[in-house]
Amino acid sequence: SAVISQKPSRDICQRGTSLTIQCQVDSQVTMMFWYRQQPGQSLTLIATANQGSEATYESGFVIDKFPISRPNLTFSTLTVSNMSPEDSSIYLCSVVWRGRTDTQYFGPGTRLTVL
Amino acid sequence: GIQVEQSPPDLILQEGANSTLRCNFSDSVNNLQWFHQNPWGQLINLFYIPSGTKQNGRLSATTVATERYSLLYISSSQTTDSGVYFCAVAFNQAGTALIFGKGTTLSVSS
Repeated sequence: SAVISQKPSRDICQRGTSLTIQCQVDSQVTMMFWYRQQPGQSLTLIATANQGSEATYESGFVIDKFPISRPNLTFSTLTVSNMSPEDSSIYLCSVVWRGRTDTQYFGPGTRLTVL
Repeated sequence: GIQVEQSPPDLILQEGANSTLRCNFSDSVNNLQWFHQNPWGQLINLFYIPSGTKQNGRLSATTVATERYSLLYISSSQTTDSGVYFCAVAFNQAGTALIFGKGTTLSVSS
C-alpha cells in the first residue's frame, strides 16, 4: 500500500525558533492538507497545500506563522515559525491519492513540544 | 459552519463487549469518514461511508444521510481497540478538507 512519511517524528524546540516538518508520499496525490491536533483535542485544518502556488489557509491560520510549500505531487513542508508553548501539538499531513477521490489518509504525525 | 457531534465522549468496556458510537452532523455531507487514533497518535482509516452500511471484520458502520447521523459498531471488543474514534465530514467529495468531531475515547480492559 502507499506510504506517507513525516519528518521529524517528534521534536522539542525553544520558544522563538522555527521548525520545518516534511511530508513525503511514495506515489502521486491530488490533494495534500496540514492539520494540527492540540493536546487532548480534535484535529483542525491549518491549510490546503497547493502544488506550485500559495497554500489556502483556514480562518485563524496565517502564512507568516505557518508557511507551506508543495513543489511537486509527492512532497510538502509546513514550517511553524516563531514558536511559543501554545504551538505544542501534533502536526499531521493528509493526502488524497490520485485516482481515489473518496478517502483521505493521514501521515504518522510530528509531535512538537515547545519549551 | 457545519457542526459534528460525537457521543459518548468516553466509553469504558470489558473485553468482549459490544459498543455503538454515534456521530451527528448539522448539514448535508458528501464525505464521511471514521478514524481510529491509536495510543501512538496514528490515525487509521476505518470507513469511508457517506451513506449506507459497511462491515470490516468486527467493525461496521451505518450512515443515514437523510437524518444526518452515522453509527460505528464495535463487536467483541479487544484491548487493541482502545484509543480515540473520530468522525469527520466534508461538504464535497474528498479534496475538500475534513471537519472532525471531538471524538469518543474508548478504553477496553481485559
